[in-house]
Parts: sequence; C-alpha cells; structure tokens
Amino acid sequence: KAGVTQTPRYLIKTRGQQVTLSCSPISGHRSVSWYQQTPGQGLQFLFEYFSETQRNKGNFPGRFSGRQFSNSRSEMNVSTLELGDSALYLCASSSLAVQGTGELFFGEGSRLTVL
Amino acid sequence: EDQVTQSPEALRLQEGESSSLNCSYTVSGLRGLFWYRQDPGKGPEFLFTLYSAGEEKEKERLKATLTKKESFLHITAPKPEDSATYLCAVQEAGGSYIPTFGRGTSLIVHP
Repeated sequence: KAGVTQTPRYLIKTRGQQVTLSCSPISGHRSVSWYQQTPGQGLQFLFEYFSETQRNKGNFPGRFSGRQFSNSRSEMNVSTLELGDSALYLCASSSLAVQGTGELFFGEGSRLTVL
Repeated sequence: EDQVTQSPEALRLQEGESSSLNCSYTVSGLRGLFWYRQDPGKGPEFLFTLYSAGEEKEKERLKATLTKKESFLHITAPKPEDSATYLCAVQEAGGSYIPTFGRGTSLIVHP
C-alpha cells in the first residue's frame, strides 16, 4: 500500500513569490491535513480537508490556502512568500470519516526555503 | 502556555542505557494521546495511541504509559537505530479533534 506522497520534496523561492505544494493521500483516506514544521515552533496545524471541504483551520494568515480534489488529492498554496515561511510542510492523511481519534499518516514533506 | 510540553528537549544515551521521555499536557479532558517518531528529513511515523490513565502500549524496545496529566515513553536497552525525534500529540475531549503536538525530544543513542 503506497504511503502519502508529497511533491516537490525541495524548493527554493524568493520573497513575494507564491508556491503550490501537492499531496496524494493513502488510497481510501479521505481526510488530509497540512502542518508547518519549524525548529522554533514545532508542528503547527494549517488546515484539514475532508471530501473537498475544509473542516478545520489553524491560526495562519490568509496567504495560506488549500483545496482538495474529488480523488482526495490536496494542494496548499502560499502567496506573497516571506522569509518566515521557510519550513518543512507536512501532509498527513487519515482514514476516519467522522471527526474523532485516529492516527495520522505523514508524507516525507516539502522543504521550502524562501530567500 | 503550551498545552503539550515534552522533556527533555534532547537526550543522549549509550547503547543499552534505558531511559524515559516525558510528555505533560494541560487539556482539561483527554480524548487521545499519540506518540510519533520522526527521522531527520522525514515525516513523523505513528507509534502509539493511549486513551485513558493506566493504559500501556508496547512495541519492541518502546513502552508508552499514560497518567491523568502526563505520558512516558520508556526506551529499554536502546540501539543506535532508535535515534530520532519523538513527538507527543494530544487530542482534547469536547474540542477540535485536531491534535496539538509537543516540540519533541531529540534522542541520540551512541554505539
């Protein structure tokens, strides 16, 4: 069974640019969450999608957005990049249809560097 | 104040030297507590879920325990391949089910 796939793995952008990251969840998983990981803040929740709908959103500015497609694949976009957006962006999928407990299956992440 | 606090931040052990990692939480009610392992450059990998005080889970050299306000990850006779960052995450009962992660404990096991 294939795991969570994230692309690209590494990317370098400059301030003011925008970036789109992609995530393919485990087959059959309909919930996809995005996290930002930095050495200073640890893992911070961005948003969660289920059946193409955003179910939960973290405390990030509107420059951070996402969407989910009918095949459960998800993308997140960051516009007007700032230096502080440099981080590892992790996607996680879950098999639970209802909001409840359940482990998350993470991808290997997309390492974004903003210069 | 962080809802989830992990200690120590970093831990160095000799191979075979057992120790414990701590995860304390301040949520009023617990729905679930999760332990993950993260290797450098990789995403976190799920280890355990604990739901109620007194519960224990084991996997190879790892054992996770849970009390009302904290969880311990005990590592017995660790090997160099156990070197990783161990993350704890908490789901609060009655609130959003999105887990809150601690900042992790970086474990290095020397041969």
